[in-house]
Amino acid sequence: AQRVTQPEKLLSVFKGAPVELKCNYSYSGSPELFWYVQYSRQRLQLLLRHISRESIKGFTADLNKGETSFHLKKPFAQEEDSAMYYCALRAKGGSGNTGKLIFGQGTTLQVKP
Amino acid sequence: ETGVTQSPTHLIKTRGQQVTLRCSSQSGHNTVSWYQQALGQGPQFIFQYYREEENGRGNFPPRFSGLQFPNYSSELNVNALELDDSALYLCASSLPSSRGNTEAFFGQGTRLTVV
Repeated sequence: AQRVTQPEKLLSVFKGAPVELKCNYSYSGSPELFWYVQYSRQRLQLLLRHISRESIKGFTADLNKGETSFHLKKPFAQEEDSAMYYCALRAKGGSGNTGKLIFGQGTTLQVKP
Repeated sequence: ETGVTQSPTHLIKTRGQQVTLRCSSQSGHNTVSWYQQALGQGPQFIFQYYREEENGRGNFPPRFSGLQFPNYSSELNVNALELDDSALYLCASSLPSSRGNTEAFFGQGTRLTVV
């Protein structure tokens, strides 16, 4: 079964503290994984994808195939990081089909001053 | 470059009615996907359109149907509305996988309430 699990509905940290948003997946094959973010009153937008191996706004995420995880990390949280974060997996499709995105339930990150 | 736009932003319908939601894709994107996001849940894939044909469908009944037009804009139609259809409906556009960058760009959503 193709599934993405985000075990925490809410993660609350103080400004400057490290952050780790957990994501585990179930997928037969090579997954393509993403983190999407939704700031208050804004649309869902891509934060980062595992194939890029990039750091965006100080966030990084490493794909661990052995543990089937793709946790999102940031060493020092900022108040502007407060948002809803969704982990997503792209299920590969046929020719011309970008494949559906399978989302987790989301984790609300609350960074307190 | 214009982003993904959806209309209307909010809608209230009565159980049993039919509804049509609209989406204009980002310039140059020929693939459109629709998602349903219930309160407190992540988005769930409804279906995808590529070159005006349905090209992948999630676990939704046939009363959820769609169209894609030659300009790549799209419609989501839901017949015989049920109370559980109340949700935020998201449209996302992207390039096909053959073009490499397959980032999905989302619209702001249509909030549908069925009473």
